Amino acid sequence: AIQMTQSPSSLSASVGDRVTITCRASQAIRNDLDWYQQKPGKAPNLLIYAASSLQSGVPSRFSGSGSGTDFTLTISSLQPEDFATYYCLQDYNHPYTFGQGTRLEIK
Amino acid sequence: QVQLVQSGAEVKKPGASVKISCKASGYIFTSYYMHWVRQAPGQGLEWLGMINPSGGSTSSAQNFQDRVALTRDTSTSTVYMELSSLRSEDTAVYYCGRRGCSGANCYVDNWGQGTLITVSS
Repeated sequence: AIQMTQSPSSLSASVGDRVTITCRASQAIRNDLDWYQQKPGKAPNLLIYAASSLQSGVPSRFSGSGSGTDFTLTISSLQPEDFATYYCLQDYNHPYTFGQGTRLEIK
Repeated sequence: QVQLVQSGAEVKKPGASVKISCKASGYIFTSYYMHWVRQAPGQGLEWLGMINPSGGSTSSAQNFQDRVALTRDTSTSTVYMELSSLRSEDTAVYYCGRRGCSGANCYVDNWGQGTLITVSS
């Protein structure tokens, strides 16, 4: 199975900050990488698919990049509602695998 | 609009089996794969498997291949996840999610509300 290594595992930041979260795949996965946001007690919410495509309805401050093995999720200017946990998911092949998650906390 | 409604919480003893459901509405049921993921308390997301509601073919994570059964009932637009030989580590919230596609890119973009399965003696 493809391993997804996500970093950092936690991150403290302030409203207005720019933050970057990275995911590295154990083998090349083209651009078959999605990013999700999850808030406590809620299902995941799709932010980015195919590494860089913004899901409909998601604010433009979220962006994704990367291809092959290295991927990033960037939030250009943190808003209070962005404090949550973020996961990457490779859907290149079965079994799909998630990164370990990044908990984004208020500084 | 797309809706996925999951069955209610379950409490099971170790060694037992559990079967939960995910009823879909608002779209053509047989046109979209359904995935299952779980989340243990305080832990990350874990992919369990997926089913093609059209033909019923499935794919499961290796960790669960011997214990998980994914099925569907096209007459009621419902998918089911059965997990057997339950152990305490299976205590988690289980989510179903519909895979949508935009052109050649597919992704899970709609989720059920989650079903808590608690395994305890």
